[in-house]
Amino acid sequence: DSGVTQTPKHLITATGQRVTLRCSPRSGDLSVYWYQQSLDQGLQFLIQYYNGEERAKGNILERFSAQQFPDLHSELNLSSLELGDSALYFCASSVGSLISSGNTIYFGEGSWLTVV
Amino acid sequence: AQKVTQAQTEISVVEKEDVTLDCVYETRDTTYYLFWYKQPPSGELVFLIRRNSFDEQNEISGRYSWNFQKSTSSFNFTITASQVVDSAVYFCALGTGFQKLVFGTGTRLLVSP
Repeated sequence: DSGVTQTPKHLITATGQRVTLRCSPRSGDLSVYWYQQSLDQGLQFLIQYYNGEERAKGNILERFSAQQFPDLHSELNLSSLELGDSALYFCASSVGSLISSGNTIYFGEGSWLTVV
Repeated sequence: AQKVTQAQTEISVVEKEDVTLDCVYETRDTTYYLFWYKQPPSGELVFLIRRNSFDEQNEISGRYSWNFQKSTSSFNFTITASQVVDSAVYFCALGTGFQKLVFGTGTRLLVSP
């Protein structure tokens, strides 16, 4: 158990719908990351927040948005869903925000999203 | 640009065999970190090791060992006396800057009894 909690574990929804994935980081971790794992794209970085502020952005679609709340939990909102959005979405957390500080990044168990 | 190459798509071994998973990385940064993660069939990503760019010491943890060579930009992972429970997809990842991890495509390891 990494200590990173993601809900829901599985989600099936229809095209055009909107879903929210939730993540609670490890106790003491201030950084939260979202990654998408799909068969064709592999593991892709989406976005990073540190103590409530966006720090880095990756290949995140405009239909997707995220935020980190004062209690440090994070939500990833996916809207106007398409079949191609079906993937395993991971949340990860670490203490700091910079790789140079040598923080380990721990991943949650992921949220399986199926768009039908 | 950062890049991680795991050329081995799938490896099949019989229990108790040793197996090495290859990882080659590309980066222009002088400070970076390399990671290995294991993804068992259940789907979660399990952290195995982190190595910084200034530490080329090899590491051993039980049946696992890692060989980091900056001269060849490689960070290979060896499992000694493999077990069925080692069956999983293993990912090598490169981290720089704001900890954005760039992952390789993964190597699926199948260990049969």
